[in-house]
Amino acid sequence: AQSVSQHNHHVILSEAASLELGCNYSYGGTVNLFWYVQYPGQHLQLLLKYFSGDPLVKGIKGFEAEFIKSKFSFNLRKPSVQWSDTAEYFCAVTSYNQGGKLIFGQGTELSVKP
Amino acid sequence: EAGVTQFPSHSVIEKGQTVTLRCDPISGHDNLYWYRRVMGKEIKFLLHFVKESKQDESGMPNNRFLAERTGGTYSTLKVQPAELEDSGVYFCASSRETGGLGTLKAFFGQGTRLTVV
Repeated sequence: AQSVSQHNHHVILSEAASLELGCNYSYGGTVNLFWYVQYPGQHLQLLLKYFSGDPLVKGIKGFEAEFIKSKFSFNLRKPSVQWSDTAEYFCAVTSYNQGGKLIFGQGTELSVKP
Repeated sequence: EAGVTQFPSHSVIEKGQTVTLRCDPISGHDNLYWYRRVMGKEIKFLLHFVKESKQDESGMPNNRFLAERTGGTYSTLKVQPAELEDSGVYFCASSRETGGLGTLKAFFGQGTRLTVV
């Protein structure tokens, strides 16, 4: 069965620090990978996605993620975080013929100190 | 374009009672998904509707949970009778595309926080 593991449950950074959130998945076939973000009091929003092609994908608000197939990883990065990036981040995976069903990781809560 | 709307935003009920959660998807979205997040754990898939039909209900925890999608529009998720372990946040999502492309443009609601005491 597919599963997703996020390495950090809570990350605390100061503004301007660099961010890397780890995500590993367990599935042997072709996968589609996602990072979602939930800001306080808001709905889940798509940050970025990987389906095929360039393994380095760029999303909104300066975020990027790199798909490393050999490591089954899809880590999220941002060179310089802002206070407004405080939110919970979710890695998710789906595969062909899953009907759009997402398998999520446990989420990482990011707190950015001003 | 209006987003996915969920009602209520919060619900506190006693063990043994019944609760009905509602999800209004974006108009024209045939695909509707329910997910649940129990405190401290991952968001888990519950089921998937395509129009009024249940496409995949493999994530439904037990027969105390009943989901419907009348006329392929809004959906309800009823928990009867509620148990303590049902507490969590219930998310709804909708999308226009089908199959593996469905997640290309899946929009989530804000969720319903259910607390069973």
